Amino acid sequence: NAGVTQTPKFQVLKTGQSMTLQCAQDMNHNSMYWYRQDPGMGLRLIYYSASEGTTDKGEVPNGYNVSRLNKREFSLRLESAAPSQTSVYFCASSVTPGRIASPLHFGNGTRLTVT
Amino acid sequence: DQQVKQNSPSLSVQEGRISILNCDYTNSMFDYFLWYKKYPAEGPTFLISISSIKDKNEDGRFTVFLNKSAKHLSLHIVPSQPGDSAVYFCAASEGTGANNLFFGTGTRLTVIP
Repeated sequence: NAGVTQTPKFQVLKTGQSMTLQCAQDMNHNSMYWYRQDPGMGLRLIYYSASEGTTDKGEVPNGYNVSRLNKREFSLRLESAAPSQTSVYFCASSVTPGRIASPLHFGNGTRLTVT
Repeated sequence: DQQVKQNSPSLSVQEGRISILNCDYTNSMFDYFLWYKKYPAEGPTFLISISSIKDKNEDGRFTVFLNKSAKHLSLHIVPSQPGDSAVYFCAASEGTGANNLFFGTGTRLTVIP
């Protein structure tokens, strides 16, 4: 059981380049999330998808777009990368939106460096 | 502005002793609290949670205490084991839904054999 799988694990971009971070879960979860982790900041929510076909902004959405491709997959796109987007990105999923008893299951992260 | 704060970036404890990790929050509307554990190069994994209607929740060696009046929660690990060495994140939710989940900055626990 793979859980939440993120690709790639590492990526280096030049300023202005674009890329898509991929995430897939095999737990039949309804909700999926993208977080970024920066030193001294904790994890911050970028975008989330409460269910297939819906997406919403989180705390720090600027500079990102997302696509909920199907129930399993949720991708994060950087259209024009900036050094401020250097971070570790985590995808997560949970069983049911709106259920506080449903903890997040995280992928192993993508370490992105923008030069 | 950080709504969930973990003021101790690191903590070292001898194996077999108690580890106490602390977390403070500012939003009195938070009503659900969780602890996540993170090993290097892995994503955080859920450890234990507590609802605001309780003041204590226990799961094996892990106990979380909630003091609503002080807006403070703590995670106790007894006895501490070397495998507990990791970064621990506190998180809090206002209402339902993980889209309202706010994380602290984490505390790195080192358990010394």
